[in-house]
Amino acid sequence: GIQVEQSPPDLILQEGANSTLRCNFSDSVNNLQWFHQNPWGQLINLFYIPSGTKQNGRLSATTVATERYSLLYISSSQTTDSGVYFCAALTWAGGGADGLTFGKGTHLIIQP
Amino acid sequence: GAVVSQHPSRVICKSGTSVKIECRSLDFQATTMFWYRQFPKQSLMLMATSNEGSKATYEQGVEKDKFLINHASLTLSTLTVTSAHPEDSSFYICSARAPRSGRLYGYTFGSGTRLTVV
Repeated sequence: GIQVEQSPPDLILQEGANSTLRCNFSDSVNNLQWFHQNPWGQLINLFYIPSGTKQNGRLSATTVATERYSLLYISSSQTTDSGVYFCAALTWAGGGADGLTFGKGTHLIIQP
Repeated sequence: GAVVSQHPSRVICKSGTSVKIECRSLDFQATTMFWYRQFPKQSLMLMATSNEGSKATYEQGVEKDKFLINHASLTLSTLTVTSAHPEDSSFYICSARAPRSGRLYGYTFGSGTRLTVV
């Protein structure tokens, strides 16, 4: 199956800083999503982005499908941005009935 | 839109008992749902794919007799952890593929169930 690798595994920043999280994947993808897992475990869907660029407030994401990577940008970080960010992807080998493969995540800590 | 509800959020049970976790799609129909498991400070691992009206498909290494999945309707899938042991303690999360709705298209997740077996 598809392999998903995220970097860096840990990132500590001061409030107000910008950050870039990277996701590499081993195969062409039909679905790629970025999630933020809050301290209670809830996965918040940030972006559905198998290709192209999207922006939502201080967050934006870019996926370069031909080069098999995606980037998540967080600008002007706030302490509430802390948590684990996951990239997840899949290739539709089963006609759209496959689950996502997750990377190991980036643990982001924003210090006041 | 595209909300998945999961209950209970937290459960503590005695070793040897069974626990049922429910996953509901609230505002859409889901012929396929997915169950994941997450150990502390680790990633999510797909356990099984739940198919409405048919048998679930389990990932390699997941015991189908221990983790019983029933997808009896287009909005409900259940995961039953049978004869639970302390090593089954984990965070279980269900997911469904949301219908196309702008940027929310993709997979949406329930809030998870933290199972502790004592």
